Amino acid sequence: VQLVESGGGLVQPGGSLRLSCAASGFTFSTYWMYWVRQAPGKGLVWVSGINSDESSTAYADSVKGRFTISRDNAKSTLYLQMNRLRAEDTALYYCVRGYSTGPGGYWGQGTLVTVSS
Amino acid sequence: QSALTQPPSASGSPGQSVTISCTGTSSDVGAYNYVSWYQQHPGRAPKIMIYEVSKRPSGMGVPDRFSGSKSGNTASLTVSGLQAEDEADYYCGSYAGSNTYVFGTGTKVTVL
Repeated sequence: VQLVESGGGLVQPGGSLRLSCAASGFTFSTYWMYWVRQAPGKGLVWVSGINSDESSTAYADSVKGRFTISRDNAKSTLYLQMNRLRAEDTALYYCVRGYSTGPGGYWGQGTLVTVSS
Repeated sequence: QSALTQPPSASGSPGQSVTISCTGTSSDVGAYNYVSWYQQHPGRAPKIMIYEVSKRPSGMGVPDRFSGSKSGNTASLTVSGLQAEDEADYYCGSYAGSNTYVFGTGTKVTVL
């Protein structure tokens, strides 16, 4: 199982970024997938989740209305479109495969998003 | 979606046991038997250690020294027979309804 995130970088407040997570080694289309973030030196924060067929999505209150999670099962890829970025969105963003009812079994190494002018 | 409350730190000598608490509300920890625990070493991605309150995930190499329990709105992780490699940050997490999830504030475990 491998999860490889990409798309992070430096962006100005108010800007946008699209994160991607390429999955391999398992049947991507059968799992819930999640984004979890961790600000430098801080704890884990659940950001968003999406079910296997994209019929159900959920967001943390802090990103609702600004972030959109999606997936392409044909490409085994998870996405996170992030708009109206704020300084407090600065973090390492992990792509996580679901396990039971929540993020779990496998984590990527993360992609760093820095929001600063 | 408030973070679950964990003590900032815990410690024990090699061979001893340490227990970490995770306090939520009747909307998350108290409402569902979907509490997980994660271990994170510095500079590494987290690793799931316990799921559904007390189950160890298969194929993840989690030692049976790690155990979980829950009472009311508080879940607990116990590490028995502490070893040097158990020194890490530990996070609890809980399903919080409507497909949302919440993590704990994290506990740094030190092996003395």
